[in-house]
Amino acid sequence: KAGVTQTPRYLIKTRGQQVTLSCSPISGHRSVSWYQQTPGQGLQFLFEYFSETQRNKGNFPGRFSGRQFSNSRSEMNVSTLELGDSALYLCASREGPNQPQHFGDGTRLSIL
Amino acid sequence: AQSVAQPEDQVNVAEGNPLTVKCTYSVSGNPYLFWYVQYPNRGLQFLLKYITGDNLVKGSYGFEAEFNKSQTSFHLKKPSALVSDSALYFCAVRDPASGGSYIPTFGRGTSLIVHP
Repeated sequence: KAGVTQTPRYLIKTRGQQVTLSCSPISGHRSVSWYQQTPGQGLQFLFEYFSETQRNKGNFPGRFSGRQFSNSRSEMNVSTLELGDSALYLCASREGPNQPQHFGDGTRLSIL
Repeated sequence: AQSVAQPEDQVNVAEGNPLTVKCTYSVSGNPYLFWYVQYPNRGLQFLLKYITGDNLVKGSYGFEAEFNKSQTSFHLKKPSALVSDSALYFCAVRDPASGGSYIPTFGRGTSLIVHP
């Protein structure tokens, strides 16, 4: 099976812009989670989608949003970008709640 | 509530020596525990998990971890370290008694450096 695929791998934006990141989970995985990884804060949970519904949400402002499509592919959107949004954004999918998460290689977002 | 701690930001070990990366957790019930590894510019890769059963869990790349309920620990170990094991290691815990939340909590990560 193909792994979790995230596109694009690298992105450069300026403050105030918005961005959309894409994630294709492993075939058959209906749960998709998003994380933000920074050197200072570590790995922080953004949200989880299951069968097109947001099931859990982390402590991030409303500028961060996501959605999941019927084929389980997911997108996350960040509006009004700030310098502090520069990070590696990771997507993970899993087969069930007791199963490990499988991560993509991430999208590295740099805000100028 | 669930939490996990990795008390060491960095662990240094010589190639060929045994390595240990520490993890302690806090949950209200019996934990589900996971170890992941992250290489530069890559996502996290699953190494091993403990759900129930034998306290010694064997995983990928020769790694193993021991679940110790009395010490609430789940330390990652390898008998003989390789330079290629140098990476960032994450411990994660999920409390199955957490109701509708199926999200694990990750530690801050431990950087393992194996010296030739």
